[in-house]
Amino acid sequence: DAGITQSPRHKVTETGTPVTLRCHQTENHRYMYWYRQDPGHGLRLIHYSYGVKDTDKGEVSDGYSVSRSKTEDFLLTLESATSSQTSVYFCATLDSPNTEAFFGQGTRLTVV
Amino acid sequence: GENVEQHPSTLSVQEGDSAVIKCTYSDSASNYFPWYKQELGKGPQLIIDIRSNVGEKKDQRIAVTLNKTAKHFSLHITETQPEDSAVYFCAASREYDMRFGAGTRLTVKP
Repeated sequence: DAGITQSPRHKVTETGTPVTLRCHQTENHRYMYWYRQDPGHGLRLIHYSYGVKDTDKGEVSDGYSVSRSKTEDFLLTLESATSSQTSVYFCATLDSPNTEAFFGQGTRLTVV
Repeated sequence: GENVEQHPSTLSVQEGDSAVIKCTYSDSASNYFPWYKQELGKGPQLIIDIRSNVGEKKDQRIAVTLNKTAKHFSLHITETQPEDSAVYFCAASREYDMRFGAGTRLTVKP
């Protein structure tokens, strides 16, 4: 298995609080992604990174920010969590364009 | 941006039957089409992929076909087994921009 670790694996937080999810990879892959998975919607792209300090928005980026200060870490931050952000979040990495993506185990976030 | 539609959302077959999942995409610049399998509690894993210069690819019981003109591609699983039960995602990719369909929950009944 590719060395992708997401933390935490589970989190319950209150509406309005900030939350940061971490994705750590040991594969030295250039590209990293954050997706959210919701029933009926599949995997929707939140943000992605194509290098250190290089990030871009995906299709559902509102309410989320990201940072990538080093190759191995990609952080997803919910500045002020809302109930609509209750979801399972997956990190993925890509070594080069149009190749296999490797996914982490997911983080289940519940906003109450 | 790219929009990927996937059908059906759920599929139930008898063990030994075939299963077909279909996807369409909107961006004609997409040139890489992977399929991922997600088992319960895990992240998706690649099972097969196809590039835009190929019309069909097969790997044992799994095959994928691509029609670039119509912008659709399909996953075919033959001789299904209970361990094929999972959620399957199609994706369309242009360089490093990768978008997924909504997923198909396949159940194989023994």
